[in-house]
Amino acid sequence: AQRVTQPEKLLSVFKGAPVELKCNYSYSGSPELFWYVQYSRQRLQLLLRHISRESIKGFTADLNKGETSFHLKKPFAQEEDSAMYYCALSYSGGYQKVTFGTGTKLQVIP
Amino acid sequence: ETGVTQSPTHLIKTRGQQVTLRCSSQSGHNTVSWYQQALGQGPQFIFQYYREEENGRGNFPPRFSGLQFPNYSSELNVNALELDDSALYLCASSYGTGGSNEQFFGPGTRLTVL
Repeated sequence: AQRVTQPEKLLSVFKGAPVELKCNYSYSGSPELFWYVQYSRQRLQLLLRHISRESIKGFTADLNKGETSFHLKKPFAQEEDSAMYYCALSYSGGYQKVTFGTGTKLQVIP
Repeated sequence: ETGVTQSPTHLIKTRGQQVTLRCSSQSGHNTVSWYQQALGQGPQFIFQYYREEENGRGNFPPRFSGLQFPNYSSELNVNALELDDSALYLCASSYGTGGSNEQFFGPGTRLTVL
């Protein structure tokens, strides 16, 4: 069974401080990992996916298969980063079943 | 390009009733997935429809059923509503069923079961 764990419900950081949102997963196959973000009063949207190896809005995430982690990082937090962040794992065996973590609320303090 | 839309926005039902939620997929998308999001939780996968057929299902009972139409819009039907069915129901569309495909989410339907 696939599982995604986000240990922090709330993460508060000061503006300009580094951010790390933790995500650990369990999956027996080869995972597709994503970070989704939900800003206040907006719908859930994709932030980044590991297969793209891209940086979006200054955020990066590296898949560490040894530690089964996919932590989201940003060197300098901005106030507009305040949002709910969900780590997600996708099963890719004939259909796309996405398993989400419980989410971490990031609060950037001015 | 039109995004994913869902109707209604809010719905109140009583236990034992039946409900139908609707979703219009983003233009060009042929795959629709439905999720249930309880308060304080992440979205939970209910099922996926691809080319009008159920293409995968999560751990939800048969009273959760769905349809996909030729224009790729979709319905989620829940029979014999229970109090625990109260949640935000999200629809997401994508092109194809590949694991790395981006899903585009609708705003959700808030269902309250009394």
